[in-house]
Amino acid sequence: DAKTTQPTSMDCAEGRAANLPCNHSTISGNEYVYWYRQIHSQGPQYIIHGLKNNETNEMASLIITEDRKSSTLILPHATLRDTAVYYCIVRALLGTSGTYKYIFGTGTRLKVLA
Amino acid sequence: DGGITQSPKYLFRKEGQNVTLSCEQNLNHDAMYWYRQDPGQGLRLIYYSQIVNDFQKGDIAEGYSVSREKKESFPLTVTSAQKNPTAFYLCASSPAGVDGNYGYTFGSGTRLTVV
Repeated sequence: DAKTTQPTSMDCAEGRAANLPCNHSTISGNEYVYWYRQIHSQGPQYIIHGLKNNETNEMASLIITEDRKSSTLILPHATLRDTAVYYCIVRALLGTSGTYKYIFGTGTRLKVLA
Repeated sequence: DGGITQSPKYLFRKEGQNVTLSCEQNLNHDAMYWYRQDPGQGLRLIYYSQIVNDFQKGDIAEGYSVSREKKESFPLTVTSAQKNPTAFYLCASSPAGVDGNYGYTFGSGTRLTVV
């Protein structure tokens, strides 16, 4: 019951920008989009989140379309250490309890090439 | 330095044994979560707790048990009833319950192997 769709894998040349797309067409108006990444055998690391405006921090930029049905994570100058699985996440209703959970799909496996 | 600590990093279990995975956080977060990750797969929610002395089943709770006696601690027991326990287990916390728009802080994980 994943609520996001991401490409399975992507390659990017070192030093170039990595653009990772995500579709979240069922997102509700007050739900944030979160991005995490997971390097092999480690816990996921928070990258960035946003509601409807574009966001930027020291790690990445997040571009959210005006209709909020998709977003793109941008790593401006990818390095070999950015090789990881990147997860785009929105909330999902947890059964009929009225509470929510974050669903992690299989993400995008980004490989940065030397 | 605030964070979330999981121990041990690696754990080996004989079939038929119960094992307990530790998760401790000093972030003063109310909510805590346990996820399971199998090779090449996303994370699946086992249990979550929004407040001390309360916890709820996630998507794959069968064969697992938890407790939340202290705000800082949310241990997970993998019981002998869990038929396929070999996996990578991740603990997470967030400032408030699942109703809020808050991100998670994750621990570094425990890799459990049944031998």
